[in-house]
Amino acid sequence: AQSVAQPEDQVNVAEGNPLTVKCTYSVSGNPYLFWYVQYPNRGLQFLLKYITGDNLVKGSYGFEAEFNKSQTSFHLKKPSALVSDSALYFCAVPVENTDKLIFGTGTRLQVFP
Amino acid sequence: DTEVTQTPKHLVMGMTNKKSLKCEQHMGHRAMYWYKQKAKKPPELMFVYSYEKLSINESVPSRFSPECPNSSLLNLHLHALQPEDSALYLCASSQEVGGVSSYEQYFGPGTRLTVT
Repeated sequence: AQSVAQPEDQVNVAEGNPLTVKCTYSVSGNPYLFWYVQYPNRGLQFLLKYITGDNLVKGSYGFEAEFNKSQTSFHLKKPSALVSDSALYFCAVPVENTDKLIFGTGTRLQVFP
Repeated sequence: DTEVTQTPKHLVMGMTNKKSLKCEQHMGHRAMYWYKQKAKKPPELMFVYSYEKLSINESVPSRFSPECPNSSLLNLHLHALQPEDSALYLCASSQEVGGVSSYEQYFGPGTRLTVT
């Protein structure tokens, strides 16, 4: 069965420092992988996706994610964190042959000034 | 317009009440979704509508009744809810179902429901 895991409940980083939010996956076949962000009291927003092609995927708000097949990971990264990046981040994978997305447990990113 | 709107923002209802949540999108999307999200948890899929027809029901109790009157509107009718149904209810839409674009979903801000 398709699944994703986010091993960190919370990540703390100082403003201006690089950030990484981790996600590992377990899928059969070629994976489709997604990152979403949820700001306080808001719905989720699509950030980026990996379907095929380049392992480094660029998305919204300066975020990027690196697909690593050997490590079955799809970590979200940003070179320089902003306080406004503080939010809840979910990686997600589709359930095979369905329109259903399975979300990871979420990682709360806290960026300190 | 890339917005999904949901009304009301907040709803408090008793266990014997009947209420409805509304969702609207004007992006021409043909798939619409209802999710339930508990605090500090990921969203859980409840229903998927494709071209105004119910395509997925994730074994949701019958006290939740979805309705899709047209391609822009999605309702969730609530009746005889339990306190454990208190949660954030999120609506989402995507261009289509059955393709990669179905996983790029646009979410509304949600309705925070409290059942007393």
